[in-house]
Amino acid sequence: QQQVKQSPQSLIVQKGGISIINCAYENTAFDYFPWYQQFPGKGPALLIAIRPDVSEKKEGRFTISFNKSAKQFSLHIMDSQPGDSATYFCAAGDQTGANNLFFGTGTRLTVIP
Amino acid sequence: DTAVSQTPKYLVTQMGNDKSIKCEQNLGHDTMYWYKQDSKKFLKIMFSYNNKELIINETVPNRFSPKSPDKAHLNLHINSLELGDSAVYFCASSQEVASRPTGELFFGEGSRLTVL
Repeated sequence: QQQVKQSPQSLIVQKGGISIINCAYENTAFDYFPWYQQFPGKGPALLIAIRPDVSEKKEGRFTISFNKSAKQFSLHIMDSQPGDSATYFCAAGDQTGANNLFFGTGTRLTVIP
Repeated sequence: DTAVSQTPKYLVTQMGNDKSIKCEQNLGHDTMYWYKQDSKKFLKIMFSYNNKELIINETVPNRFSPKSPDKAHLNLHINSLELGDSAVYFCASSQEVASRPTGELFFGEGSRLTVL
């Protein structure tokens, strides 16, 4: 059973455009929501994370929007650049005392110059 | 200076063989993990160790056995390899702050296992 649903599976955006990736979850025990970025041949790396006590978090061109009542969260990449081309994973975890993250299925982003 | 390093990066082997993947982290983290990424890029946790103690053991065949000689190392041994074991295996580490997960995992570069 997929704990975190992610869409779209792939996304093609023009340079300078906005990339939007959406995720949804069911488990209300989840209370932290990181996004990871993975380049080919590399391991995932933390991009940005949010906890449910805030509805939005921004770091540079990357913004997470969080809707607790709808159990949805999304990543917006403003002014998308070719260097942003990568696979993006949303994830969710709870207070089990360990970082037991449930990952979404990933979105392959391609930014066209 | 690599934070989480795993070896080998590539592993090609025949069905039925036994193989190991080694992982070391120099971040001083207390918790280490093994994740499996399949051909569709789906990432799933296999094991988690905290200070050498097993704390997460997802539904993984018992042909997979993790070993943590100290908190900086977590190795993965796989017996009787099957075709379906072909995947990229990622080691990761993390630190908790005040017993609260930070949500930040530091991943190695992965070990691509191909079973023929």
